[in-house]
Amino acid sequence: GAGVSQTPSNKVTEKGKYVELRCDPISGHTALYWYRQSLGQGPEFLIYFQGTGAADDSGLPNDRFFAVRPEGSVSTLKIQRTERGDSAVYLCASRRQKGAEAFFGQGTRLTVV
Amino acid sequence: LAKTTQPISMDSYEGQEVNITCSHNNIATNDYITWYQQFPSQGPRFIIQGYKTKVTNEVASLFIPADRKSSTLSLPRVSLSDTAVYYCLVATPNRDDKIIFGKGTRLHILP
Repeated sequence: GAGVSQTPSNKVTEKGKYVELRCDPISGHTALYWYRQSLGQGPEFLIYFQGTGAADDSGLPNDRFFAVRPEGSVSTLKIQRTERGDSAVYLCASRRQKGAEAFFGQGTRLTVV
Repeated sequence: LAKTTQPISMDSYEGQEVNITCSHNNIATNDYITWYQQFPSQGPRFIIQGYKTKVTNEVASLFIPADRKSSTLSLPRVSLSDTAVYYCLVATPNRDDKIIFGKGTRLHILP
């Protein structure tokens, strides 16, 4: 595609529910990143994939958060037992190779009520 | 990863040149400097990247002094649409794949 696509753009869920956020990276980009951004803060690193494997998941806040990228393209960020504190914009980015510029999607705004 | 420090916010007027300076005192020999721009309700967007001296593209210029302990992003003749948050990042190519953002500089352009 022309850019990084994230779906849905907005998601409202009830506390305790499970949610999945999807990211379609730019075709051919081997690296894929997930970030979380709260109002007034910079993007907070969560996890990044190189191909199908999670190269660094040190930013995942706890075991309720999990991400997969089974075929090395589309990735899904999964959040179990959502809490109100999980409300934020979740950003996805991809890049062709190390050191190259990263391209970000528009984000998914998650609201837990 | 080298720590970066940049002003929290800046105001300027349309038509002015804006310079945002970022400090990175513990930058390593192989580190390069990258700047991203983020508009409200959008993901960050790459602006410019450099290693030393000066880099210029259609959007901005990046000035890096010889000691590389700081860098300055220069935006010529800003307009209202340049109101955004600007992030300075330092990373080591072929090693640091994580892209780590700080709080950035919130630039507000006034008419």
